[in-house]
Amino acid sequence: AQRVTQPEKLLSVFKGAPVELKCNYSYSGSPELFWYVQYSRQRLQLLLRHISRESIKGFTADLNKGETSFHLKKPFAQEEDSAMYYCALSWSSNTGKLIFGQGTTLQVKP
Amino acid sequence: KAGVTQTPRYLIKTRGQQVTLSCSPISGHRSVSWYQQTPGQGLQFLFEYFSETQRNKGNFPGRFSGRQFSNSRSEMNVSTLELGDSALYLCASSASTGANVLTFGAGSRLTVL
Repeated sequence: AQRVTQPEKLLSVFKGAPVELKCNYSYSGSPELFWYVQYSRQRLQLLLRHISRESIKGFTADLNKGETSFHLKKPFAQEEDSAMYYCALSWSSNTGKLIFGQGTTLQVKP
Repeated sequence: KAGVTQTPRYLIKTRGQQVTLSCSPISGHRSVSWYQQTPGQGLQFLFEYFSETQRNKGNFPGRFSGRQFSNSRSEMNVSTLELGDSALYLCASSASTGANVLTFGAGSRLTVL
């Protein structure tokens, strides 16, 4: 069965420190991977998707099929990055059915 | 462009009652997906509608149902409410191409007493 695992419930770092939010998945085919973010009192929103290969708000994520991982990274954390981050998997671009991880709360301390 | 609109935002029901939640997608989006969010289970897929047809269904009991209208607006219904149905119900819409790129609404928070 498809599964997305985010091993850390909470990640706390100081401003300016590097950040890596881990995401591992299990899926036998070729998935599409996403990172969604929910800032305080805001809606869940798309941060980035692996096929876009772009950097959003300084965040990047590389799909590693060998390790079945899609870790989210940022070299220098900012306080405004504090939020809940969800990794999600889709097996087709033709469906709105995504499998979400449990989420990681990122806390960036001043 | 107006976002995804969900109504009502908050509601309280008692066990055994039923509830209907509404979702208006972004104009032009024909796919509407519903998710249940709870602290214990996280975000779980309920179902997806596209062009008034259920395209995908999650692992929820038959008490959970939905439908989509010709204007792409969607409703979900939960009958015979249980305490465990207390959750934030999120609706997301997406375009026909790239249906897995979801735009979420603010959610409807259901409390079952």
